[in-house]
Amino acid sequence: GQNIDQPTEMTATEGAIVQINCTYQTSGFNGLFWYQQHAGEAPTFLSYNVLDGLEEKGRFSSFLSRSKGYSYLLLKELQMKDSASYLCAVRDGDYKLSFGAGTTVTVRA
Amino acid sequence: DAMVIQNPRYQVTQFGKPVTLSCSQTLNHNVMYWYQQKSSQAPKLLFHYYDKDFNNEADTPDNFQSRRPNTSFCFLDIRSPGLGDAAMYLCATSRGGETDTQYFGPGTRLTVL
Repeated sequence: GQNIDQPTEMTATEGAIVQINCTYQTSGFNGLFWYQQHAGEAPTFLSYNVLDGLEEKGRFSSFLSRSKGYSYLLLKELQMKDSASYLCAVRDGDYKLSFGAGTTVTVRA
Repeated sequence: DAMVIQNPRYQVTQFGKPVTLSCSQTLNHNVMYWYQQKSSQAPKLLFHYYDKDFNNEADTPDNFQSRRPNTSFCFLDIRSPGLGDAAMYLCATSRGGETDTQYFGPGTRLTVL
């Protein structure tokens, strides 16, 4: 089976940086995704890593270490609109995804 | 502009009364997925279609069925909803390749009275 762990909640101040960690143990690995999900809405795609290293996309960056089964999502210059749940998802071989339970980030003024 | 459309956005049904949720896509993607997501939990894959091929997850209850009459549309039928089936139901699509991304619809929030 798949095991994907991420913290339940994080709180940070507007303008700050927050790092959301994700660890995974899966039967295979064919890429790791991060999605953002606002309350009551559908997940929206943020980033995709399949090779080790850092992928930067504006204020958001995602890092992957396949040997450690570890990824993080880095949110910089936090804005109030970044308050949401962030889902880590792993593709273990074919095209299906297994999701973590999500990390709820609360941004305070 | 909408790519994955779900109707209705909110559905209320009675215990045991069959309900159908619909999903349509304008992306011409090969794969369509149905997920169930309960509050503060991960989306749970119920089943998916790769073109016309139906793939059921092993732990999906028989109470849940799906139909895909054509590339654009996919339906989720809940034959006898129970209180435990109250959840957000998410439809997603992807091309079906090993490196592609899943795109989600806005979801249907199901309430069972």
